[in-house]
Amino acid sequence: DAGVTQSPTHLIKTRGQQVTLRCSPKSGHDTVSWYQQALGQGPQFIFQYYEEEERQRGNFPDRFSGHQFPNYSSELNVNALLLGDSALYLCASSQGLSSYEQYFGPGTRLTVT
Amino acid sequence: GIQVEQSPPDLILQEGANSTLRCNFSDSVNNLQWFHQNPWGQLINLFYIPSGTKQNGRLSATTVATERYSLLYISSSQTTDSGVYFCAVEKINDYKLSFGAGTTVTVRA
Repeated sequence: DAGVTQSPTHLIKTRGQQVTLRCSPKSGHDTVSWYQQALGQGPQFIFQYYEEEERQRGNFPDRFSGHQFPNYSSELNVNALLLGDSALYLCASSQGLSSYEQYFGPGTRLTVT
Repeated sequence: GIQVEQSPPDLILQEGANSTLRCNFSDSVNNLQWFHQNPWGQLINLFYIPSGTKQNGRLSATTVATERYSLLYISSSQTTDSGVYFCAVEKINDYKLSFGAGTTVTVRA
C-alpha cells in the first residue's frame, strides 16, 4: 500500500521564479492538503483540495495556487518566489472531508536564493 | 483560529527514562493527532486520538476532549525516540489541522 509521495525532494530556485510541487495521495484517499513548515516551526495550512476544487484556504497570498487532478493527485504552484518562501512543503491526504486521520508525505524542501 | 500549545518546548532524557508531553487546545475538536517528525522532515503518525486512550508499544496517549488537552507518554525512552513531537487538532467542521509548535525530545545514551 503506497503512502503519500511528493516530488521533487529538494529544489533550489531564485527569487522571482515560479515553482511547481507535486503530490500523490495514499491509496484510497481523495482529499489533499498542503502545509508549509518554516524552520523551527510547526506546519501551517495552505489549502485543501477535494473533488478537484479548493475547499479551504489558510492565510497565504494568491501567489500560492493549486490544482487537483481526476486521479486525486495534486500540484502546488508558487509564483514570484520570495526568500521567505524557503520552507519544507508537506502534502497530506485523507478520505473525504470528514474528520479522518491525515497522512503526510516526506515533503519537498524549497530553498529560494 | 484555534490555539494549540505544547509543553515543554524541549525535553532532554536519559535512555530508559519515562516522559509526558502535553497539548492544550482552545476549542472543541473532532480530530487530534500526534506526530513524530524525523530528522529528514517526515511526519510519522503516532496516534489518531480525538478522545480516550490508546497504546502502541512504549507509547501511549490520552485525550480528555471535555477539558481540551491531550498527553503523550513515552516509556523506557530510546535514542531513536529523539526528534520533534507535534500535536495537531482539527476544529469541528474545519477539516484542516492546526499544529502546535512542537516538543523537541533528545534522548541521550
